[in-house]
This record gives sequence, structure tokens and C-alpha cells, in this order.
Amino acid sequence: AQKITQTQPGMFVQEKEAVTLDCTYDTSDQSYGLFWYKQPSSGEMIFLIYQGSYDEQNATEGRYSLNFQKARKSANLVISASQLGDSAMYFCAMSSSGGYNKLIFGAGTRLAVHP
Amino acid sequence: GAGVSQSPSNKVTEKGKDVELRCDPISGHTALYWYRQSLGQGLEFLIYFQGNSAPDKSGLPSDRFSAERTGGSVSTLTIQRTQQEDSAVYLCASSLGGRGFTDTQYFGPGTRLTVL
Repeated sequence: AQKITQTQPGMFVQEKEAVTLDCTYDTSDQSYGLFWYKQPSSGEMIFLIYQGSYDEQNATEGRYSLNFQKARKSANLVISASQLGDSAMYFCAMSSSGGYNKLIFGAGTRLAVHP
Repeated sequence: GAGVSQSPSNKVTEKGKDVELRCDPISGHTALYWYRQSLGQGLEFLIYFQGNSAPDKSGLPSDRFSAERTGGSVSTLTIQRTQQEDSAVYLCASSLGGRGFTDTQYFGPGTRLTVL
């Protein structure tokens, strides 16, 4: 069975500093996708970044990058130059070729950015 | 609109009543998903539509839950005889479809359901 583990229930970071949110996954599939979503207090899930299992380069989207280590089955999110608006819940999720692409989510990490 | 929309944004109902939750996906997206987010269970998949067909209903928690999609667009999630444990935020997502595991899902704002 597939599983996503986010071991940090809460993190805090100083504004303008970088922060890494951890995500490990478990799957027996060879083809899968890894996603990060942000959920502010308003409740909407905002897509941030995607990494495919066959992608050799780490994905980057603006201030977001995904540190993909396939052998360790980890897909950590790095946020550079944190901003106050980055305070939110962050979810790591996985889709696979065998599951109609339904997303399996981790429990999430609550990030607080301090001025 | 440009994004996924859901209605109502909030719904309060009495135990035993039926409720209908609506989702309007992004135009042109053929795949549509329903998820449920609750404090105790986190984010759970409920059902997946490709066009008007639902090849994966494995996440529906009981036969009180049903969903349909018409015209390859709007979807309705119906919960019959609501129970207090149905209280949660129901999230709808859509994606282009046909792209396998690379397909990115975009979420709506959710419907917060409270069963008294």
C-alpha cells in the first residue's frame, strides 16, 4: 500500500530564511508523481510543485524546490526566502500509475513564518 | 470561472437529512475527484470521474454516499441520512485527464459540512 509520511507537525522559520519540509513515501510502483500543496487558513488547496518518478532533475517553481532522493524515497520541499504569506499547512501527496491518479496525502506540516 | 468552484461554501444540517454538494471543474478538465478532509482522518479520497464515468469509487465510506457527473462537467456529491461523523470539509479537484500519474489536480475552496 502507498503511504506518505510527514514527520514535522509544526515548523517555524524566520522571515527571509530558507526552510525544508520533510516528506517520505512508500510505494511499490515504478511510475508515480509527487506533489506539494499549500493550504492557508482560508482552506483552499494550492498546487505548488510536482516531481515525476522518472525526472532526473529536481523540480523548481520560483521560491519552491523539491529535493527528490529516489533511493531514500524522500521528496522534501524547500522554500527559499520565506515570506509571512508562506504561513500555512503544507501537504505532500503521491499519485501512481495504478491508482487512477488519486492522491494519497500526508498528515501535513504547519509552517509559521515569524517576522 | 478560471478555477474549480464549489457550492455551498458552508452547509449546516440536522442528523438524518440529505445534502447535496456541487462542484464545477475547470473548463476542459475531463478528470474530477472528490476528497474529504476531517480532523481525525486527514485528507481522504472519495471518488474519481473520467468524463461521466466513475471508475474508482473505492473511497466512498458507505452506501449513504453517492456522486454523479453530467455533461462531463458539473458533479454532485450526495450524502443521505447524514450522521455527525460526516462533518468535514469536502474538497473537489479537477485535472486535464489522460496524462497518467503526471496529471496535476487543482482544488476548489471546499464545502464545510456540519451535521448537528
